[in-house]
Amino acid sequence: AQKVTQAQTEISVVEKEDVTLDCVYETRDTTYYLFWYKQPPSGELVFLIRRNSFDEQNEISGRYSWNFQKSTSSFNFTITASQVVDSAVYFCAPSFPLISSGSARQLTFGSGTQLTVLP
Amino acid sequence: DGGITQSPKYLFRKEGQNVTLSCEQNLNHDAMYWYRQDPGQGLRLIYYSQIVNDFQKGDIAEGYSVSREKKESFPLTVTSAQKNPTAFYLCASSQGAGGELFFGEGSRLTVL
Repeated sequence: AQKVTQAQTEISVVEKEDVTLDCVYETRDTTYYLFWYKQPPSGELVFLIRRNSFDEQNEISGRYSWNFQKSTSSFNFTITASQVVDSAVYFCAPSFPLISSGSARQLTFGSGTQLTVLP
Repeated sequence: DGGITQSPKYLFRKEGQNVTLSCEQNLNHDAMYWYRQDPGQGLRLIYYSQIVNDFQKGDIAEGYSVSREKKESFPLTVTSAQKNPTAFYLCASSQGAGGELFFGEGSRLTVL
C-alpha cells in the first residue's frame, strides 16, 4: 500500500516570503506520477503541478517550483514570494495505476498542509 | 466551459435515508472517481469507473453504491448502511495514464 506523509500540519508566513511544503511517500511501484493540489476554503481541489517518476529534473513554473528526489521518495513544493491568495490547504498526491490496463489512477493523498499567508 | 458539476452543494439527510449525489462532466474523460474527505484529513477513494457500465470499489466502498450508465455521469448513492456518512464528497475525472484529476466543487452531506 502507498502512504504519504506531509509532516507540516500548519505553516504561517508573511506575504512575500518563500515557503516550502514537504512531502514524503512510500511505494513499491516503479512507475508513478506525483501531483500537488491546492484546496482553498471553497473546497474544490485545484491542480498545481505534475511530475512523473522517470523525470527527476526540477522545474520552475511561475512562482511554483518543486524538488523531486526519487532516491529519498520526496516531492517538495515551493512557493516563491507568497501572496495572501495562496492561503489554502495543500495536498501532495502520488498517483498509481488502479488496474494494470486502463487509465484510472489511484491518488493517495497526504493529510495536507494548511498554509496561511499573512498580509 | 468544460468541467465537472456536482449537485447538490449542501444536503441534509435524516438517519436511515438513502441520498444520491450527482456528478456530471463534459470533459469527455473516460475515468471518473468519488472521494470522501473528513475534516482535517486527505481524500479517500470510494468508487471509480474506467468506462461506461463498469465500476470498481475503492478503499472505503462499504455503504455506498454507484452507476455509470453514461460516460458523462457518475452518481453516488449514500445508503443507510453507511454508518458515518457526514462528510465532504468530491467527484473527479481524468483521461490518460498521466492525466491529472479534475475535481468538482464538492457536495457537503450532513446527517441529522
